[in-house]
Amino acid sequence: EPEVTQTPSHQVTQMGQEVILRCVPISNHLYFYWYRQILGQKVEFLVSFYNNEISEKSEIFDDQFSVERPDGSNFTLKIRSTKLEDSAMYFCASTEGGGYYEQYFGPGTRLTVT
Amino acid sequence: LAKTTQPISMDSYEGQEVNITCSHNNIATNDYITWYQQFPSQGPRFIIQGYKTKVTNEVASLFIPADRKSSTLSLPRVSLSDTAVYYCLVGESGYSTLTFGKGTMLLVSP
Repeated sequence: EPEVTQTPSHQVTQMGQEVILRCVPISNHLYFYWYRQILGQKVEFLVSFYNNEISEKSEIFDDQFSVERPDGSNFTLKIRSTKLEDSAMYFCASTEGGGYYEQYFGPGTRLTVT
Repeated sequence: LAKTTQPISMDSYEGQEVNITCSHNNIATNDYITWYQQFPSQGPRFIIQGYKTKVTNEVASLFIPADRKSSTLSLPRVSLSDTAVYYCLVGESGYSTLTFGKGTMLLVSP
């Protein structure tokens, strides 16, 4: 069964550093998403991406965040200057079509900011 | 988005049927009801989606009454590996963002 993959599984970084989280969505999917989950809290939507541009973003997704699809397979989330409160699990998801279709989630990257 | 309400936690034993009910009084005409499952330190996983009446797949059944103001996820004969958080989501077809609540923590004991 095809799956979404994410690397690294765990990233430790110092406050103020830039991090890039990587995702490889399922190959025939067209819509891509990033969510995050702070320990013990809800899964929160960050951003959706379609046709090489952001289609929707949440209030969390401020100027410190950016997304990119640098090639035909990878989808990245960059945090320019990490803060302690950015520590969370970051999940990438993809789906065949927009709308309320099944979203396939990756295993997540645990980001720890010290 | 329709607000959903589901129990914070439920306990069950292996081999039992578990029914988790979700209330969504403000569901709109175009809204679908979707359930996701999440194991600790893993991403959510789609279980089932429906619009009305009953939907069944190899994992679960989803019962939706005629007024659609609630729905029930039914897990037949649960095992220890079904211990997870279960989320009920309601959204319009064409709505790409998933909005998760706190979900229901299901604990299955031997």
